[in-house]
Amino acid sequence: EVQLVESGGGLVKPGGSLRLSCAASGFTFSSYSMNWVRQAPGKGLEWVSSISSSSSYIYYADSVKGRFTISRDNAKNSLYLQMNSLRAEDTAVYYCARLGVGATSWDYWGQGTLVTVSS
Amino acid sequence: EIVLTQSPATLSLSPGERATLSCGASQSVSSSYLAWYQQKPGLAPRLLIYDASSRATGIPDRFSGSGSGTDFTLTISRLEPEDFAVYYCQQYGSSPPMYTFGQGTKLEIK
Repeated sequence: EVQLVESGGGLVKPGGSLRLSCAASGFTFSSYSMNWVRQAPGKGLEWVSSISSSSSYIYYADSVKGRFTISRDNAKNSLYLQMNSLRAEDTAVYYCARLGVGATSWDYWGQGTLVTVSS
Repeated sequence: EIVLTQSPATLSLSPGERATLSCGASQSVSSSYLAWYQQKPGLAPRLLIYDASSRATGIPDRFSGSGSGTDFTLTISRLEPEDFAVYYCQQYGSSPPMYTFGQGTKLEIK
């Protein structure tokens, strides 16, 4: 059974940093591109970042470019998101999601971890 | 950047009725790059349809997707109580790679 479990969320002050993790199991992690998608409270979904299976290709939404860094450790079946210079508008539930066949949609999602940026 | 607009914002129907949800794109979208998700309160989104019309694993056949170019549709043939949720369309753009969502349609019980 495919499982994605996020951790690392919490309350952080504006300008602060946080590192999210996603532990994957039930599939060959090193064969799939992985993503972070977020959802502000009561709002819609927003793609954050994508990383290819071997970390060769990395992409970011304009809203986080230069502040967030996505990475992965295939030996540990883990995905990460380093978030720096956090702003109030970064407050959201952050989901780890696996890109499915064709790499155009996400077939498995974690349960999400809440990041709150507030003074 | 392609903008996706979903309509209606809220759809009120009864169990057993047919639901038709629309997703319009500001520019033509490849059918291979259009997906639909269902999200219930407090849960992660669930992939329903990919490549505009292919059902994801385990999705009942009452869910179907159609469309091309700038107009796409998600149809639920006979609503079950568990189908009342928020639905999002999503597209993939390849240059540079990026993903955008519609604002969602809330399907509520009438």
